[in-house]
Amino acid sequence: AQRVTQPEKLLSVFKGAPVELKCNYSYSGSPELFWYVQYSRQRLQLLLRHISRESIKGFTADLNKGETSFHLKKPFAQEEDSAMYYCALRRSARQLTFGSGTQLTVLP
Amino acid sequence: DAGVIQSPRHEVTEMGQEVTLRCKPISGHNSLFWYRQTMMRGLELLIYFNNNVPIDDSGMPEDRFSAKMPNASFSTLKIQPSEPRDSAVYFCASSLASGVFYGYTFGSGTRLTVV
Repeated sequence: AQRVTQPEKLLSVFKGAPVELKCNYSYSGSPELFWYVQYSRQRLQLLLRHISRESIKGFTADLNKGETSFHLKKPFAQEEDSAMYYCALRRSARQLTFGSGTQLTVLP
Repeated sequence: DAGVIQSPRHEVTEMGQEVTLRCKPISGHNSLFWYRQTMMRGLELLIYFNNNVPIDDSGMPEDRFSAKMPNASFSTLKIQPSEPRDSAVYFCASSLASGVFYGYTFGSGTRLTVV
């Protein structure tokens, strides 16, 4: 079964500290993974796609097929990073499966 | 491009009333998704359409919920009769059904409160 697990519902870090939001997946094929971000009371926005190997707003995510993980990382968290983060797995040609989300709070 | 447009942004209604939520996908996108977001359950897929045809409605909670897509530029999600437990944010999203897959583009959502 295709599944995305985000084990932390809530995560708090201090400004300037490193942050890692965990995402694990189960998928029998070649996975394609995404991170979406939702700032307070706004729409979900695509943050990054693993196949692009990009860094957006200082965030990076590496696909680790051995550990079936796609953790989102940023070396120095900023207060404006406070948001809900969703990991998503492409489960069919055009469909995504979303994790339950992690609410990140960056404390001053 | 104005993106995915949802209306209304906020809706407050009394229990038992009919509620209709609207969505205009991005022009040229031919897959459309309706999601419900709550604190307790997170993001739930309700239904999705491909080329205006409902493909999977297994997430629709019960018969009180119905969705239509009469053409490529418009979809509705209707709740009749509404109940307080339907209070949530409802998101519409669209994507291309062919070519490079960039994921979904979401609308701003409709915040529904049923009192």
